[in-house]
Amino acid sequence: GNSVTQMEGPVTLSEEAFLTINCTYTATGYPSLFWYVQYPGEGLQLLLKATKADDKGSNKGFEATYRKETTSFHLEKGSVQVSDSAVYFCALSLPSGGSYIPTFGRGTSLIVHP
Amino acid sequence: GAVVSQHPSRVICKSGTSVKIECRSLDFQATTMFWYRQFPKQSLMLMATSNEGSKATYEQGVEKDKFLINHASLTLSTLTVTSAHPEDSSFYICSARDPGRTDTQYFGPGTRLTVL
Repeated sequence: GNSVTQMEGPVTLSEEAFLTINCTYTATGYPSLFWYVQYPGEGLQLLLKATKADDKGSNKGFEATYRKETTSFHLEKGSVQVSDSAVYFCALSLPSGGSYIPTFGRGTSLIVHP
Repeated sequence: GAVVSQHPSRVICKSGTSVKIECRSLDFQATTMFWYRQFPKQSLMLMATSNEGSKATYEQGVEKDKFLINHASLTLSTLTVTSAHPEDSSFYICSARDPGRTDTQYFGPGTRLTVL
């Protein structure tokens, strides 16, 4: 079956540090890949996506590249801010009976200190 | 991006009562909506797929008589937790699929249900 594996958190960084959150996937076919962010007490927000190999998704300074050869979609940001503290979910989406149902990773908590 | 709303954001109820949660797509028509449950510090668990004008498709292990889903229009799906018990306390999140971007889902802000 399809699955998404994320690095366990929490990831604790100082402001302006470089961020990497690893994500690898297993899927039959060619999935679309996503990163979602969840701030405390809120729902999920789409952060970025990539739909095919070598695509780079980017938003708000975050970026991730769809690597088919390593089945990875690692999230990176060059300089994190305190406001980036949240839980980040990696996900894949494949068509299933005409419907795209996503598979989520367990989430990685990011804590950024001033 | 597309906007999905949920109401209420928080609800506290007594054991044995029923609670209805609404999920609305505000700026697009959603033929398909999804309901998730999230336990503290855990990922989202898909409960069911809600299809406009037809019965919902429930995931294995989810009681359809316990969690009633109605998708009566292209912008509204409701989840009713019937005869709620403390173990039903959780964070419930809905999402809607934009027909124009079938692989992308937009999530509501979630509803925190506490059953006393």
